Amino acid sequence: DAGVIQSPRHEVTEMGQEVTLRCKPISGHNSLFWYRQTMMRGLELLIYFNNNVPIDDSGMPEDRFSAKMPNASFSTLKIQPSEPRDSAVYFCASSPTRLSYEQYFGPGTRLTVT
Amino acid sequence: KNEVEQSPQNLTAQEGEFITINCSYSVGISALHWLQQHPGGGIVSLFMLSSGKKKHGRLIATINIQEKHSSLHITASHPRDSAVYICAVRVQGAQKLVFGQGTRLTINP
Repeated sequence: DAGVIQSPRHEVTEMGQEVTLRCKPISGHNSLFWYRQTMMRGLELLIYFNNNVPIDDSGMPEDRFSAKMPNASFSTLKIQPSEPRDSAVYFCASSPTRLSYEQYFGPGTRLTVT
Repeated sequence: KNEVEQSPQNLTAQEGEFITINCSYSVGISALHWLQQHPGGGIVSLFMLSSGKKKHGRLIATINIQEKHSSLHITASHPRDSAVYICAVRVQGAQKLVFGQGTRLTINP
């Protein structure tokens, strides 16, 4: 299996621009998680989906952030408009079933907003 | 106060030493994870445990549910063990993980 796939791996953009991060979970996994990692705050959950339905989005910082999962094999995290404080590494992870605790992380997308 | 606290934050040791990283948490949990993050940034799950002890190669993880404490041990440490080790707990009744700040481990040859 290819594992969790994220794209792009690196993104540099200017403040105010729209940024879209993409994630393909492991085939057959029903849960998908978006995390953000910064030096100051470490790893934080942004949102997670079960069977394509958002379950907990309490970690989404503000309305500039949105996430979708249109089908079982694809999810996006969008930031519009982006700000320098959004600079971080964004990880996507997937989990086999709703009752399984094991999570498999993607390689992450390093976002720099200038 | 963070819900998950790790100690130490940084640890430097010589090759061959026995390493212990500690994790304490303040919430009810259904499971605890130990993750490893190498300098390249990738995150790998090492252990997931809800009671007792697990061993994989030179790595050992223990958890004491009553004391809300877990430890990760590395025996015969090696420079390739140098990484950030992150403790994360699955909050009871939820699926999300809450993370500690991580322990940066450096093993010198």
